[in-house]
Amino acid sequence: QQQVKQSPQSLIVQKGGIPIINCAYENTAFDYFPWYQQFPGKGPALLIAIRPDVSEKKEGRFTISFNKSAKQFSLHIMDSQPGDSATYFCAASGDRGSTLGRLYFGRGTQLTVWP
Amino acid sequence: ETGVTQTPRHLVMGMTNKKSLKCEQHLGHNAMYWYKQSAKKPLELMFVYSLEERVENNSVPSRFSPECPNSSHLFLHLHTLQPEDSALYLCASSQDRPPSEQYFGPGTRLTVT
Repeated sequence: QQQVKQSPQSLIVQKGGIPIINCAYENTAFDYFPWYQQFPGKGPALLIAIRPDVSEKKEGRFTISFNKSAKQFSLHIMDSQPGDSATYFCAASGDRGSTLGRLYFGRGTQLTVWP
Repeated sequence: ETGVTQTPRHLVMGMTNKKSLKCEQHLGHNAMYWYKQSAKKPLELMFVYSLEERVENNSVPSRFSPECPNSSHLFLHLHTLQPEDSALYLCASSQDRPPSEQYFGPGTRLTVT
């Protein structure tokens, strides 16, 4: 059973658009939700992360929105650029039991930004 | 070198070969991980080492054998692999207690012929 469900699988937007990637989880032990960005030939790199005590976090053009009651979180990329074309993974980790220190990844979203 | 490094970056091996993947982290972390990344699948956690002890083994076939001689180095020994083992193998490290962000290496692209 997949712990973190991510959608869409792929996404194409025009430059300047705002792609949104959604993730959902069930395990209430999760308390840390990072997003990773992966370019071809590279390993995933941490992009931005959020904890459930806040509903939104911004870093530059990247924003995470978090809905604790719905157990959903999403990544928004403002003013998207062709250089943002990559695969994005959401993940979740917890602070106790089997979730401690372990990252559960979504399946990834391949984003293409057309110039 | 900084961050997490992996060697080799590409490896082609026959099903009867024995090879090893190497990972080194320069971040002072005390936990290291092996992941398998296949097309159209989520990242699969294979092994976790914390303070040089294996703390997790996710039902990985015995043809994959990890080794962690110290907190900076992690190996994945491979023998009698199958074509379906072809994938990108990623190493990551983090600080374990409390858990922190995991930093990934660039991966080793493995092709089994």
